[in-house]
Amino acid sequence: SQKIEQNSEALNIQEGKTATLTCNYTNYSPAYLQWYRQDPGRGPVFLLLIRENEKEKRKERLKVTFDTTLKQSLFHITASQPADSATYLCALDLWGGKLIFGQGTELSVKP
Amino acid sequence: EAQVTQNPRYLITVTGKKLTVTCSQNMNHEYMSWYRQDPGLGLRQIYYSMNVEVTDKGDVPEGYKVSRKEKRNFPLILESPSPNQTSLYFCASNVDRYGTEAFFGQGTRLTVV
Repeated sequence: SQKIEQNSEALNIQEGKTATLTCNYTNYSPAYLQWYRQDPGRGPVFLLLIRENEKEKRKERLKVTFDTTLKQSLFHITASQPADSATYLCALDLWGGKLIFGQGTELSVKP
Repeated sequence: EAQVTQNPRYLITVTGKKLTVTCSQNMNHEYMSWYRQDPGLGLRQIYYSMNVEVTDKGDVPEGYKVSRKEKRNFPLILESPSPNQTSLYFCASNVDRYGTEAFFGQGTRLTVV
């Protein structure tokens, strides 16, 4: 069956450390993979997109990797801050028009 | 300001009473979609539209209808709402499909009693 899974448990880290979030999928062949941030009661906000033939993408303190052999994407936030606390969603951008989201990982950054 | 606007933000209704949630975008985007978000299940796509008069089912289309008569609007219709449709709903738009970011509305919290 087709599945997309993110870290099932909430992630708690100390300010200044690097947060690493995982997105694994099975039986999908995405053209792209996207990451979003969602704050409580708000709509998701786009962060980064990576193509199937790209290994890594960076934007300021954010870094995304995409391994189509392992069917996995890693999302890193370096020098994390309490303001980074939120739920982070990965999404598979499929050929044919669908955008499929994972259930999200809640990140809490403590001062 | 570029935005996706949903209305209403909150709605409590009774089982079987038809309702429509409106969605409008001012960015001239071709692609629009509807999602529902439930605890532990994440965002699940209900319907999407690649362009005017072109709609297709997402992963959870049962009990919902959509239409795309104009590029900017993509209403979600619940003909006969049931309690299992109680959820947080989001509309989103993309400039087109494939490799473009989705812009989300602020959400509609629907309760069906």
